[in-house]
Amino acid sequence: NAGVTQTPKFRVLKTGQSMTLLCAQDMNHEYMYWYRQDPGMGLRLIHYSVGEGTTAKGEVPDGYNVSRLKKQNFLLGLESAAPSQTSVYFCASSLVAEQYFGPGTRLTVT
Amino acid sequence: EDQVTQSPEALRLQEGESSSLNCSYTVSGLRGLFWYRQDPGKGPEFLFTLYSAGEEKEKERLKATLTKKESFLHITAPKPEDSATYLCAVRPPAFPSGNTPLVFGKGTRLSVIA
Repeated sequence: NAGVTQTPKFRVLKTGQSMTLLCAQDMNHEYMYWYRQDPGMGLRLIHYSVGEGTTAKGEVPDGYNVSRLKKQNFLLGLESAAPSQTSVYFCASSLVAEQYFGPGTRLTVT
Repeated sequence: EDQVTQSPEALRLQEGESSSLNCSYTVSGLRGLFWYRQDPGKGPEFLFTLYSAGEEKEKERLKATLTKKESFLHITAPKPEDSATYLCAVRPPAFPSGNTPLVFGKGTRLSVIA
């Protein structure tokens, strides 16, 4: 079991560029989540999904889009990156209560 | 208004010096309180879930307890390898059913010095 994996691990973007972050889980979990973590701000929920084909907004959804076409994958897209989106992004999944996190993607927008 | 507040923000202990981390919450109708450990450059690692006041969970040198307004993570005789950021999270009752997103505190950064 690989658990929750994230691709890529690091990325540098220029303002206005787009990119997609991929999250994959092999635990057959229904629920998946995208968070961002910034110094002094803690973990903040961006979007989440309660099952294949469904998505919902979290606390800080602006500037991001998501898709859950397959149960095991949850994609986070940035259409036009801004310096304010410089952060560490974590994906998580859950079956019942506990969420299990991936290793994170460190994104820098210049 | 923060639903989850952790204190202190940072804690420095000598090896073997026991202490406690605090997580207070304002959510009523709590449906679970969660503790995670996060090492630098890594994702949070699940430690414990507590559901009702009076409940306790233990793992090695860590013991988590829950009251109606707060949770404590007690660290007994800590070692340098216990150094990490400890995160607390709650599941609010806002959603009707099923799994709901957790609300995280900002964490306590623990350093254990040999």
